[in-house]
Amino acid sequence: EDQVTQSPEALRLQEGESSSLNCSYTVSGLRGLFWYRQDPGKGPEFLFTLYSAGEEKEKERLKATLTKKESFLHITAPKPEDSATYLCAVLRQGYGQNFVFGPGTRLSVLP
Amino acid sequence: GAGVSQTPSNKVTEKGKYVELRCDPISGHTALYWYRQSLGQGPEFLIYFQGTGAADDSGLPNDRFFAVRPEGSVSTLKIQRTERGDSAVYLCASSRTSGGGHNEQFFGPGTRLTVL
Repeated sequence: EDQVTQSPEALRLQEGESSSLNCSYTVSGLRGLFWYRQDPGKGPEFLFTLYSAGEEKEKERLKATLTKKESFLHITAPKPEDSATYLCAVLRQGYGQNFVFGPGTRLSVLP
Repeated sequence: GAGVSQTPSNKVTEKGKYVELRCDPISGHTALYWYRQSLGQGPEFLIYFQGTGAADDSGLPNDRFFAVRPEGSVSTLKIQRTERGDSAVYLCASSRTSGGGHNEQFFGPGTRLTVL
């Protein structure tokens, strides 16, 4: 069964303390892996798309990487405004636009 | 420009009632998606439209759920005979196109549905 999991479930960091979030997937054929940020009471906001193993994307303090089994979202020197839930989602071959989301990682960055 | 809008923002209804949730996508976006999100979970795919047609409705949980997009823009998610288990945030998203790598979805703020 296709599955997307994320770890940790929750993460608390001090401002400036770098860390990584993990998204593991078991799917029959990956077409793309997506990272989103979701603030409380709002819809997810697109961050990155990764298509093949070895690919990396960066945006400000965030860097996303992809292997054949997992993706990491690295957060360098986070700030309190980076506090949010980070979601990953996958598109699978043969399933059109049926996105499968993971449960998310709740990140809190303390000043 | 305007983003994806959803109305109402909150809907409280009684078990057994009928509800309609509306989504206004970004102008020019041909693809439209509906998701359901329960507390502490990621969004769960319900249905996807390309233009006016439902290209994939495999995520609709049962025949009480139905969605339309008659003119290829605004979409309505309809839930009949609501049950307490239908309580969740219903999210709508749109994107410019469905393929060619352009899958960046823009989400609305969601409609919080509470079934008493």
